[in-house]
Amino acid sequence: AQTVTQSQPEMSVQEAETVTLSCTYDTSESDYYLFWYKQPPSRQMILVIRQEAYKQQNATENRFSVNFQKAAKSFSLKISDSQLGDAAMYFCAYRRTGGFSRLTFGEGTQLTVNP
Amino acid sequence: GAVVSQHPSWVICKSGTSVKIECRSLDFQATTMFWYRQFPKQSLMLMATSNEGSKATYEQGVEKDKFLINHASLTLSTLTVTSAHPEDSSFYICSVPPGTSGTYEQYFGPGTRLTVT
Repeated sequence: AQTVTQSQPEMSVQEAETVTLSCTYDTSESDYYLFWYKQPPSRQMILVIRQEAYKQQNATENRFSVNFQKAAKSFSLKISDSQLGDAAMYFCAYRRTGGFSRLTFGEGTQLTVNP
Repeated sequence: GAVVSQHPSWVICKSGTSVKIECRSLDFQATTMFWYRQFPKQSLMLMATSNEGSKATYEQGVEKDKFLINHASLTLSTLTVTSAHPEDSSFYICSVPPGTSGTYEQYFGPGTRLTVT
């Protein structure tokens, strides 16, 4: 079974600074997807970034980028130029390929952005 | 705009009563929907997979007689919490997997907060 682990229950960052959230996972699959989701106080799940395992290049979306280390089964999220609106719970998630596959979530990291 | 809706957004019920939560796929047909439960400050835990026209598949430890799922159409799945107790108070989220939307992204409803008094 696949597992996703986030070892940082809470993180904080100063506004405009950079923060990195860690995630490790375990799978026997060779092809899969990894995601970072943001859950603000509204609790609506918002997709931040995704990474296909077959791609060696790290995904980037504006201020958000990942460091994908397939051999180490590590998938960290870097948030640059942190903004107050980035404050939220962040979940790392894994999904096998195949359209109906479920998402497996990590425990979450609560990010606080200090002004 | 919203792709998946849920109703109600917040419901309070008395212990022992039943409550129904609706999940609608607004923009596309969904043969499969996922139901998650999230306790405060915890992660999303998959409860069951709802399948249109057939029985739902429940995760280990989830009581199928307590959490009744009906996927009656390609746009609607319902979760009924029967004989609710205070420990069932939680945040329930439905989600449509990417296979039905033609994209990789899994779409989430806004969630339903259930409080059992």
